[in-house]
Amino acid sequence: DQQVKQNSPSLSVQEGRISILNCDYTNSMFDYFLWYKKYPAEGPTFLISISSIKDKNEDGRFTVFLNKSAKHLSLHIVPSQPGDSAVYFCAASGVQGAQKLVFGQGTRLTINP
Amino acid sequence: DAGVIQSPRHEVTEMGQEVTLRCKPISGHNSLFWYRQTMMRGLELLIYFNNNVPIDDSGMPEDRFSAKMPNASFSTLKIQPSEPRDSAVYFCASSIRTGLYGYTFGSGTRLTVV
Repeated sequence: DQQVKQNSPSLSVQEGRISILNCDYTNSMFDYFLWYKKYPAEGPTFLISISSIKDKNEDGRFTVFLNKSAKHLSLHIVPSQPGDSAVYFCAASGVQGAQKLVFGQGTRLTINP
Repeated sequence: DAGVIQSPRHEVTEMGQEVTLRCKPISGHNSLFWYRQTMMRGLELLIYFNNNVPIDDSGMPEDRFSAKMPNASFSTLKIQPSEPRDSAVYFCASSIRTGLYGYTFGSGTRLTVV
């Protein structure tokens, strides 16, 4: 039962353009949604998050959008830079106060010069 | 703050052997999580502890896997006996309050069972 899904295994974007990563979830009880970034041979690192009571959160070049009716969230990176090349995981938590994060499969983002 | 410390970074073992992975969480964090990353299943939660007590072990694949947290600064994940399908990267993470802040991961242990 995959509660959090990232349907695109990979994405290639030109440097300077916008990168849009997508994520769908099935459990309407999630309270928080997060994005993590992972480089090879390192652990995932926290990038940005959003509460279920909001529909947008922005932090510099990164913006996360939440559409609760569609059970969909997206991460926008503008402008994309070569250092953004990594695997991005979306995650969700908070069902009945649970502390655990449920992760999607990840999307490998490649920024081309 | 040294972050979450995992050891060893790499482990190669023969099928049937016992494997022990170790984790030191960030001081003051009261929740600890063990995840496994594979190509097929992505990042899957194996078990997590809150205040050293196991809260949810529903992700532990089978009885060959066990985890302990004897104190607030140390946890182990043991596989006995190991099998080739256990080959994966195992991550430990800790948090003080997951919510909007998520948790901090260690660098992982890459396990290869031959």
